[in-house]
Parts: sequence; structure tokens; C-alpha cells
Amino acid sequence: KAGVTQTPRYLIKTRGQQVTLSCSPISGHRSVSWYQQTPGQGLQFLFEYFSETQRNKGNFPGRFSGRQFSNSRSEMNVSTLELGDSALYLCASSLAAGRSGYTFGSGTRLTVV
Amino acid sequence: AQRVTQPEKLLSVFKGAPVELKCNYSYSGSPELFWYVQYSRQRLQLLLRHISRESIKGFTADLNKGETSFHLKKPFAQEEDSAMYYCALSDGEYGNKLVFGAGTILRVKS
Repeated sequence: KAGVTQTPRYLIKTRGQQVTLSCSPISGHRSVSWYQQTPGQGLQFLFEYFSETQRNKGNFPGRFSGRQFSNSRSEMNVSTLELGDSALYLCASSLAAGRSGYTFGSGTRLTVV
Repeated sequence: AQRVTQPEKLLSVFKGAPVELKCNYSYSGSPELFWYVQYSRQRLQLLLRHISRESIKGFTADLNKGETSFHLKKPFAQEEDSAMYYCALSDGEYGNKLVFGAGTILRVKS
């Protein structure tokens, strides 16, 4: 059974640009959530989607957005990139909700220069 | 606010010694707690959930509501246990938001 797949693995962008990251959950998993991991702030929740609906959102500015498609695949978008957005972005999926535990992808390493 | 505290950044023990990774939480309702582990160059993975009361790779964790703790224990450390360990609680209406602690690096020396 394939795990959670995130693409691309690495990205380098310039300040002011926008970026889209992709996540394919485990087959059958309908809940997809995103996390930002940095050395200073650790792991922080961005948002969660279930059946194409955003159910929960973390404390990030509106530049961070996401969506989920009917096949449960998800994308997150960051507009007007700032240097501080450099981080590892992790996607996680679960059957229904987080109480059963989430399965994480390997992440996308975003570097903003 | 919901919070998870892991007071130790680094815990270094000898092989065969007992291990206890500390985790304290602040939560207004009935918490659901997890331990996640990240081995070198691998993805973050679920180690155990308090609701399962399971033992994985010799690790156990007991929820102590009185002390608001969920410490991870193993009686005899092995070198392959060296990794970063994160304690997390499940928040949000659907339990769909994980609040993570800062993590503890466990280093098992031979």
C-alpha cells in the first residue's frame, strides 16, 4: 500500500513568488492535513481538509491556502513568499479524523531566497 | 491554550538503561495523546496512541490525568531507538489538529 506522497521534494523560490505543493494521501484516506516544520517553531498545524472541505485552520496568514480534490488529493499554496516561509512542509492523511493517528509524507523542503 | 511540553531537548542514555521521555500537556477537555518518532532520514511516524494502550518496540506510555503527563518509557534502551521523539495531542472538533511538543532527541550510546 503506497504511503503519503508529496511532490516536489525540494523547491527553491524567490521572495514575492508563489508556490504550490502537492500531496497524495493513502488510498481510502479522506482527511488530509498540512504542517510546517522549522527549527525555531517546530511542527505547526496549517489546515485540515475532509471531503473537499476545510474543517480546521491554524494561525497562519491568509497567504497560506489549500484545497482538496474529489479524489482526496490536496494542494497547498503560499503566495507572496517571504524568507520566513522557508521550511519543511509535511502532509499527513488519516481515514476520518486524527484520533486514529496520522500517516505523514516525507515533506517538501521549501527554500525562499 | 492547548500546549504540549517536552522539557528535554536531548536525552542521552547507555544501551540497556531505562528510558523515560517526558511529556506534559495542557488541555481543557479529555485529551487524546500520541507519540511520534522520526528516525534519521526517515519520515515522521506514529509510535503509539494512548487510547490503544499498546506497546510498540518495547515502548509504553500511560496517560496520567492528575499530573497531565504522558511520559514514554522503555525498560532497556537499544541503539536503534536513537531518534527524535514528539509528543502530540489531538485537538479540534474532529480531533484533526495535532499540537506537537518541541521534541526530544534520544541518543543511545553503546
